[in-house]
Amino acid sequence: GAVVSQHPSRVICKSGTSVKIECRSLDFQATTMFWYRQFPKQSLMLMATSNEGSKATYEQGVEKDKFLINHASLTLSTLTVTSAHPEDSSFYICSARSALAGGRTDTQYFGPGTRLTVL
Amino acid sequence: DAKTTQPNSMESNEEEPVHLPCNHSTISGTDYIHWYRQLPSQGPEYVIHGLTSNVNNRMASLAIAEDRKSSTLILHRATLRDAAVYYCILSANTNAGKSTFGDGTTLTVKP
Repeated sequence: GAVVSQHPSRVICKSGTSVKIECRSLDFQATTMFWYRQFPKQSLMLMATSNEGSKATYEQGVEKDKFLINHASLTLSTLTVTSAHPEDSSFYICSARSALAGGRTDTQYFGPGTRLTVL
Repeated sequence: DAKTTQPNSMESNEEEPVHLPCNHSTISGTDYIHWYRQLPSQGPEYVIHGLTSNVNNRMASLAIAEDRKSSTLILHRATLRDAAVYYCILSANTNAGKSTFGDGTTLTVKP
């Protein structure tokens, strides 16, 4: 099956620093990747949609200058949380969409998530 | 985005079948129905998807109503490892597959 990895799995940083999270599709090419944020005991909240080679599309209420997304290749997207603050502490999850040959299914394959803690 | 409605929680006994319902009355004609499940502190895992016809795979079965306004995920024999939050979501045709997650159903499996 399609595998998506994230790195790091867990990061602790000081307030004011920037943190970069990588999302890779390991065995397929992903023209579209999604970034989600999940707070404890809540559902996933879509932050942005990232298409390879173009600017990301951010959901309403998500600051694009704070959450920088770069989708430089068909297998890699990065999310950088700039000037992180304690309220940015959350579980960040990426997904990659795989369009199967011969049809469109929009199936997403999710990474294992990155736990960010800002002190 | 088309919305889905699921019960907040369900319980099942181990080795018994589980039917997880999902209502999606505003589904559009080209929306796929996807099911994912999420264990604590992990990313969601793909379970199954369908468009109009019922689907079976090694993990589960998906029964889709004839009018497509509802669907049911069927776990034929629940195990303790099936305890998770199950999400039913629709792909939004006009947004290149963008999907909105609802609150999902928390499935508890009792031994």
